[in-house]
Amino acid sequence: GAGVSQSPSNKVTEKGKDVELRCDPISGHTALYWYRQSLGQGLEFLIYFQGNSAPDKSGLPSDRFSAERTGGSVSTLTIQRTQQEDSAVYLCASSRGLAGGTDTQYFGPGTRLTVL
Amino acid sequence: DAKTTQPNSMESNEEEPVHLPCNHSTISGTDYIHWYRQLPSQGPEYVIHGLTSNVNNRMASLAIAEDRKSSTLILHRATLRDAAVYYCILRDPSGGSNYKLTFGKGTLLTVNP
Repeated sequence: GAGVSQSPSNKVTEKGKDVELRCDPISGHTALYWYRQSLGQGLEFLIYFQGNSAPDKSGLPSDRFSAERTGGSVSTLTIQRTQQEDSAVYLCASSRGLAGGTDTQYFGPGTRLTVL
Repeated sequence: DAKTTQPNSMESNEEEPVHLPCNHSTISGTDYIHWYRQLPSQGPEYVIHGLTSNVNNRMASLAIAEDRKSSTLILHRATLRDAAVYYCILRDPSGGSNYKLTFGKGTLLTVNP
């Protein structure tokens, strides 16, 4: 079946502009995650949605970052007033949200954001 | 969270087996051992996971030491397509933040033709 999709695949923006990144998870997956991969920084967790529960926003680096998930499916990550340090690949993942340690996450191809 | 230690890089020849080690000496009794890999310019991809017993799937095998302080991901016949960064990750099912993956630096596997 279809995997996790993300759009756009590449985004170039100017410092100070707002950007929106979209994630379409695998159908039926209740859990959705956003991660960021910066050059030389590795993958870091940003935010997690599970069903109708309040999202875990503990990984968001600043209040310029926000995310929402509408109808328990599509998610949008918004970065306001972008800065050059926001340049990174933003990865979305989804999973069935199984309890215990066996849940596996399926990642999208990522959105490469470049802030000039 | 319990941490893992992996070599920064490894090299292999095509069609030969590859053994990727991971040390996790502070693993708790309930931690699952997960492996993901990330091919160039792609998102991470799940490979395999286990708790105590060795595991096999179509992609790889996971050998877990009896004391669970280390594990080895085994690719039985490496192909050029297996060149990637391999991440060993512990997941604690009882932890409050058990849903998120904590990635280390992983092992960069180079496969020579």
